[in-house]
Parts: sequence; structure tokens; C-alpha cells
Amino acid sequence: DAGVTQSPTHLIKTRGQHVTLRCSPISGHKSVSWYQQVLGQGPQFIFQYYEKEERGRGNFPDRFSARQFPNYSSELNVNALLLGDSALYLCASSLAGSQPQHFGDGTRLSIL
Amino acid sequence: GDSVTQMEGPVTLSEEAFLTINCTYTATGYPSLFWYVQYPGEGLQLLLKATKADDKGSNKGFEATYRKETTSFHLEKGSVQVSDSAVYFCALSLLPSSASKIIFGSGTRLSIRP
Repeated sequence: DAGVTQSPTHLIKTRGQHVTLRCSPISGHKSVSWYQQVLGQGPQFIFQYYEKEERGRGNFPDRFSARQFPNYSSELNVNALLLGDSALYLCASSLAGSQPQHFGDGTRLSIL
Repeated sequence: GDSVTQMEGPVTLSEEAFLTINCTYTATGYPSLFWYVQYPGEGLQLLLKATKADDKGSNKGFEATYRKETTSFHLEKGSVQVSDSAVYFCALSLLPSSASKIIFGSGTRLSIRP
């Protein structure tokens, strides 16, 4: 079975632009979580969605938003990009919001 | 608040050496504890976990014991290999009150010399 897949793999944007990152969970997994990993640091929790509803939100500004679709895939949107948004964005899925979470390989976002 | 503190790297060892990476945590309630590994250019892989005090998680020769009295979850391996070179993250989760939010430490980069 395929693991968690994320697209695109890499992305380059400029300040002020908007970006959409996509995640497909493992088949049968209904929960998706998003994390931001800045270079040299551990991942920071952004959002969790379960059954298309937001179940958790980390300490990120309103420029960050997400949604989950009926097929349980998810999008992370970031508006008005800042240089500090440059990071690896990781998506993780799990059966029902519980552990263990399975991570994708991430989308590396670079802001110029 | 809830947090994880792990030893700073990088840690450089020779092949077949003994490995310890220290991890301590601060949490309200009763967390589950994890070690994740990140190989270059990849996402995170769950290495092992423990869900209650005195539990020992183990996988691929790595072990860690949940010590509630010292709030620690140190990672150990008796004989490391070059293929163990990666970044290791200690983490906790406070289910069910925080859904599946995982709190990670800052990571420890491990390099193994042949």
C-alpha cells in the first residue's frame, strides 16, 4: 500500500504570495495532521483534521489554514508568505486521530 | 507548558560503539512517548514508543524505557552501524486531550564513522 504522499516535493515562492500544499493519507486513514519543520529544529504542530473537521490547531497565525476533503486528503494553505515560512512541511495520517502517525516525506518550501 | 528536551548534537561515534541519546520531558497528565528518526531527504519514521510508565519500547536494536520518576525516555543501542546515521527526535503526545498533536524535541543528529 502507498504511504502518505505529499505534493509538490519542492516549491519556491516569493514574499507575499500564496501557496497550497497537498497530502494524501494512507488508505483507510481518516485523520491528517500538518507540521512545520524549520531547518535544524523539530517539527511544530499546525493542524489536525479528522472526518473533515478541525480537531486541533497549533500556535500559527491566521495566514495558515487547512481543510480535509471527503476522500480524507488535505490541503494546507498559507497566505502572504514571509521569509520565515521557509521550511519543510510534513503531513501525517493515522487511523482515527490516535497514534501511531505515519509521516510523508514533506514539501520543502523556499521563500525568496 | 508541555515540552521535550533532548541532548544537542551532533553526536559522532565509531561503528559498533554504544549509543545513548538523552531525552527528558515536561507534561501535564500522562503522555505517550516516542522516538522518531529522520533520514536525509525523508520524512519522519516512528522508531519506537511507550505508552505508560516502566514500558520499554524497542525496534531495530534501539531501546528506550519510560521513566516517570525522572521524566526521561533515553534512547540506547548497544552497537551502532553506519546506516543508523540520521536525526533522532524524542516526542510526546497527550491523547486524548490534545487529539493527535505531537510535541517534538529539537532533534539530535547522529553520525557513525565506519
